[in-house]
Amino acid sequence: EVQLVESGGGLVQPGGSLRLSCVASGSTFSSYYMHWVRRAPGKGLQWVANIRQDSSDKHYIDSVKGRFTISRDNAKSSLYLEMNSVRAEDTAMYYCAAGGGYLIDQWGRGTLVTVSS
Amino acid sequence: DIVMTQSPDSLAVSLGERATINCKSSQSLLSSSNNNDYLAWYEQKPGQPPNLLISWASTRESGVPDRFSGSGSGTDFTLTISSLQAEDVAVYYCMQYYSAPITFGQGTRLEIK
Repeated sequence: EVQLVESGGGLVQPGGSLRLSCVASGSTFSSYYMHWVRRAPGKGLQWVANIRQDSSDKHYIDSVKGRFTISRDNAKSSLYLEMNSVRAEDTAMYYCAAGGGYLIDQWGRGTLVTVSS
Repeated sequence: DIVMTQSPDSLAVSLGERATINCKSSQSLLSSSNNNDYLAWYEQKPGQPPNLLISWASTRESGVPDRFSGSGSGTDFTLTISSLQAEDVAVYYCMQYYSAPITFGQGTRLEIK
């Protein structure tokens, strides 16, 4: 089992940038497929992006393609989400999540991103 | 993209009674290579991250009470709580992990009647 702790959330203006981080502990980070999932206020869960164990494959939802970049540093047991050109609709709790593949079975507690002027 | 549709959107059930949540996918989640359905169920309680209850459509995760069960195959799936407890108040989501982008149902809010 892996413990996941997110950071980097906060208030950002529309069009601005933010970098979310997630540090893993308790298990071998490099063995996990990693994901970012978000939940906007009053809405349901939405998967955002994922990255293979060796960073060789990445996927995104259409609404963030070209604006968000997922990356990882296995030596630092860390996952990142670079968020650029943010919009009001990106306001959400962002969860770092892990699994052996596309199945997500471990979750962090989340970091809140608010996009507002 | 695979669209996941849950029903109902909300549900109120008496303590000790059965709760049933349905999930339909826009295409089959059954893999011909391993005969597994790539469908999971999660619960999310207020202020908490989601918690995995069921994977592969019907495999209960370790530590999940046996009143929770999953069934179905292909495009139609069901989560059943056989005897509702107060601690089961939550929003429940189905999720397909057959292909990217991974997609969730819109969620079903379960309350006590």
